[in-house]
Amino acid sequence: NAGVMQNPRHLVRRRGQEARLRCSPMKGHSHVYWYRQLPEEGLKFMVYLQKENIIDESGMPKERFSAEFPKEGPSILRIQQVVRGDSAAYFCASSPQTSGRRLSYEQYFGPGTRLTVT
Amino acid sequence: TQLLEQSPQFLSIQEGENLTVYCNSSSVFSSLQWYRQEPGEGPVLLVTVVTGGEVKKLKRLTFQFGDARKDSSLHITAAQPGDTGLYLCAGLSGSARQLTFGSGTQLTVLP
Repeated sequence: NAGVMQNPRHLVRRRGQEARLRCSPMKGHSHVYWYRQLPEEGLKFMVYLQKENIIDESGMPKERFSAEFPKEGPSILRIQQVVRGDSAAYFCASSPQTSGRRLSYEQYFGPGTRLTVT
Repeated sequence: TQLLEQSPQFLSIQEGENLTVYCNSSSVFSSLQWYRQEPGEGPVLLVTVVTGGEVKKLKRLTFQFGDARKDSSLHITAAQPGDTGLYLCAGLSGSARQLTFGSGTQLTVLP
């Protein structure tokens, strides 16, 4: 009974490197969300994806950040040329496909990837 | 921008005491979810409330959604050290799928 899986759990990158964070949704879930939790701040929405489609990226920084959810494989959050301010915990959540039903409201979170930029 | 304000921000109580955490907004939410987060882990969904005035119970935890769907509360009866954690409320509005999170209540229950 696998929940939302994220890897790696911890990632250390030097300034200017690229960070790739992976998320596999719960079985049967086709909606994926990425949130960021900065130190001493709350969780903030970044992007919402369905298979092969970005539905809402209103919370995503305009530069250096991108996300995808391919037909096969996990969702990827990619941060290019990382800076110290990118250090945070990045959480992925998933929800079922069914709309108009109570269950579709619920988002289940993974354990997160803690990114440290040195 | 929709905001969810949680209070109190920090709460430290003795085992056996009761407590209430509040989540307030000036905006209407179509649903509201409560999560608990442990250090180094992701938020774990406790409950979802959808209907104004709805009350849900989960063992010693009672969740209520305000009649106007702008506020919610979490009441814990006879708190135990295992209840220690960060409690987060998060709301969905309209057809949007992004959750707006409150700032959280850090609860510590002392044995």
